[in-house]
Amino acid sequence: GQQLNQSPQSMFIQEGEDVSMNCTSSSIFNTWLWYKQDPGEGPVLLIALYKAGELTSNGRLTAQFGITRKDSFLNISASIPSDVGIYFCAGQLSFGNEKLTFGTGTRLTIIP
Amino acid sequence: DGGITQSPKYLFRKEGQNVTLSCEQNLNHDAMYWYRQDPGQGLRLIYYSQIVNDFQKGDIAEGYSVSREKKESFPLTVTSAQKNPTAFYLCASSIDSVSQHFGDGTRLSIL
Repeated sequence: GQQLNQSPQSMFIQEGEDVSMNCTSSSIFNTWLWYKQDPGEGPVLLIALYKAGELTSNGRLTAQFGITRKDSFLNISASIPSDVGIYFCAGQLSFGNEKLTFGTGTRLTIIP
Repeated sequence: DGGITQSPKYLFRKEGQNVTLSCEQNLNHDAMYWYRQDPGQGLRLIYYSQIVNDFQKGDIAEGYSVSREKKESFPLTVTSAQKNPTAFYLCASSIDSVSQHFGDGTRLSIL
């Protein structure tokens, strides 16, 4: 099965820094989602994007649906310790397609 | 509170044994999913069900089986045919097949 390419694989930042990560695919997606997973828990939905070019915010998080529909970006501003975790992108290939394709994840670590 | 409950949190299997992982949801969602997560990898779809008494294979269904006799429940059996079963298993449900809500997972290890 296809998996989305996420980069970077891991990030080490200091508290207060901004974070950027992205997700790319060779296929066109109709919907993009971003999830965060804390250790030992299931992923939690952060942001859902439904339209090419769409820019959506959730607090300090901002995500964009790439204009080519083959990529998506997630930015976190002014990082705090609870931002630590693994961030996954996920995409839906076509409307009515009941499956999601997940990225390989970006692990965010905050250096004290 | 509405949500998805997976049990047990940790499970140990002996070689040659079948084990069943439980997933229950009270969100009234029609669709349910099982994923496998290995270190450094994303989530890979094992099986999914859009409606009671119906389910489809995902990308890595070999060695697994499921049932969907009730809307609330979607148990996953890891059979002895699954040669590398050690992983973190995640169950999810969705009302629209897009925004999936996850349980807290079951970690399966082989003794």
